[in-house]
Amino acid sequence: AQSVTQLDSHVSVSEGTPVLLRCNYSSSYSPSLFWYVQHPNKGLQLLLKYTSAATLVKGINGFEAEFKKSETSFHLTKPSAHMSDAAEYFCVVSDRGGYNKLIFGAGTRLAVHP
Amino acid sequence: DAGVIQSPRHEVTEMGQEVTLRCKPISGHNSLFWYRQTMMRGLELLIYFNNNVPIDDSGMPEDRFSAKMPNASFSTLKIQPSEPRDSAVYFCASSLQGADAMDTQYFGPGTRLTVL
Repeated sequence: AQSVTQLDSHVSVSEGTPVLLRCNYSSSYSPSLFWYVQHPNKGLQLLLKYTSAATLVKGINGFEAEFKKSETSFHLTKPSAHMSDAAEYFCVVSDRGGYNKLIFGAGTRLAVHP
Repeated sequence: DAGVIQSPRHEVTEMGQEVTLRCKPISGHNSLFWYRQTMMRGLELLIYFNNNVPIDDSGMPEDRFSAKMPNASFSTLKIQPSEPRDSAVYFCASSLQGADAMDTQYFGPGTRLTVL
């Protein structure tokens, strides 16, 4: 069965410093992986998705993630945090054995300080 | 593109009342998902429709919950009778489902339900 573990429930960074949000996955298949972001009182927005074409995936707003099969990881990074990045981030795995059922991690709340 | 539309955005009701949440998926999408988000349980899939047909309702908590999709542009999630533990944010998402399991799901803004 597919699952994801987000290793940090809260991450706090200063504006202009790098962001690292960690995610490990478990999958019986070659996984499909996503990162979604949720700003306060908003819906979820897709940041990026792993398509198996390239292990380094670039997303919106300067975010990127690297798929590492040997480590079963899909960590999200950004070189320089902006105040507007403060939000909750979800790592998600898709059940490729089924119909694209999404399995969500518990989320990581990112705080960005001036 | 208007995105996924949900109504109402906020709903406050009293225990025992019927609640109906509404969703309009993105035009042309053939798959629709209802999710519930709570602090305790995170994001959970409640039900999945493909071409207006319920495919997986294993996440529906109990018989008090029901969902319908009478046509490709409208779906409802109904709770009758509502209970305080149903308080949550309910999201609707849609996608264009093909053979690729990486089809992106697009989420609506959610309905925040409070049952007193």
